[in-house]
Amino acid sequence: SSELTQPPSVSVSPGQTARITCSGDVLGKKYAYWYQQKPGQAPILIIKKDSERPSGIPERFSGSSSGTTVTLTISGVQAEDEADYYCQSPDISGSSYVFGSGTKVTVL
Amino acid sequence: EVHLEESGGRLVQPGGSLRLSCAASGFTFGDYSMNWVRQTPGKGLEWISYISSSGSYTHYADSVKGRFTISRDNARDSLSLQMNSLRAEDTAVYFCARESTVGTTAPIFSDYWGQGNLVTVSS
Repeated sequence: SSELTQPPSVSVSPGQTARITCSGDVLGKKYAYWYQQKPGQAPILIIKKDSERPSGIPERFSGSSSGTTVTLTISGVQAEDEADYYCQSPDISGSSYVFGSGTKVTVL
Repeated sequence: EVHLEESGGRLVQPGGSLRLSCAASGFTFGDYSMNWVRQTPGKGLEWISYISSSGSYTHYADSVKGRFTISRDNARDSLSLQMNSLRAEDTAVYFCARESTVGTTAPIFSDYWGQGNLVTVSS
C-alpha cells in the first residue's frame, strides 16, 4: 500500500509561518487532504484536494503541491494552532486511504 | 449540523467480539458513504473500513480483513462495525467518519468525524 511521510514535529513562534511537508509516490497521482487534531478531539478537515480550504477554515491555512510532495502552510501562527496535523490520500489501489504519521506543531 | 456519535466501546478479552455503532444526524445519511478510522493510543490514524451509501460496496484494511464487518441501516441512520477475533493491537479509539463525496464506491476522504469511542483489548 501507499506510504506518506511527514516530519514528526515542527516548532514555530507566534505570528511566524509553519510549513509541514508530506511526501509519497501516490501524491503524484492522487490529491492530498489535511486534518488538524487537538488532544482528545476528532480530526478536522482543513485542506482538501491539495489546496482547497473548506468553509469555516481560517485563511491562514493553505496547501500546495509539487510533484510527489504536498505542503501545508500556516501563516501567522496562533497559539490555538498547536495540534497534530495529518496528511491523507486515497491509496493507489483505489480501495482504501492512507494517512501520514502526523506532525506535531508546537507554538513556542 | 452534521453529528456523528460512536458507542459500544469497552474492555474486551483477546479473541472476543464487540459491535460498535455510530448514530448519524444533521444530514441525509443514506446519500453518503461512511468510513471507520482508528487511532492507537498516542499514535496516528489508520483507516480500516468503508461502506458505500447503499451498502453495496465495502472495503477493509488488510489488518482487519476477515475479522471485522461494516454494515449500515439507512432507515435508522446508523453505521456499525462488528469486530471479531479481537487482538491486543486492535486497542484504539474508533472514529466513524462521513465520506465527503456523494456517490463514491471507494474511500477518498472524510469531511466530518465523530468524537471517537475507546476499545480496549486486554486480559
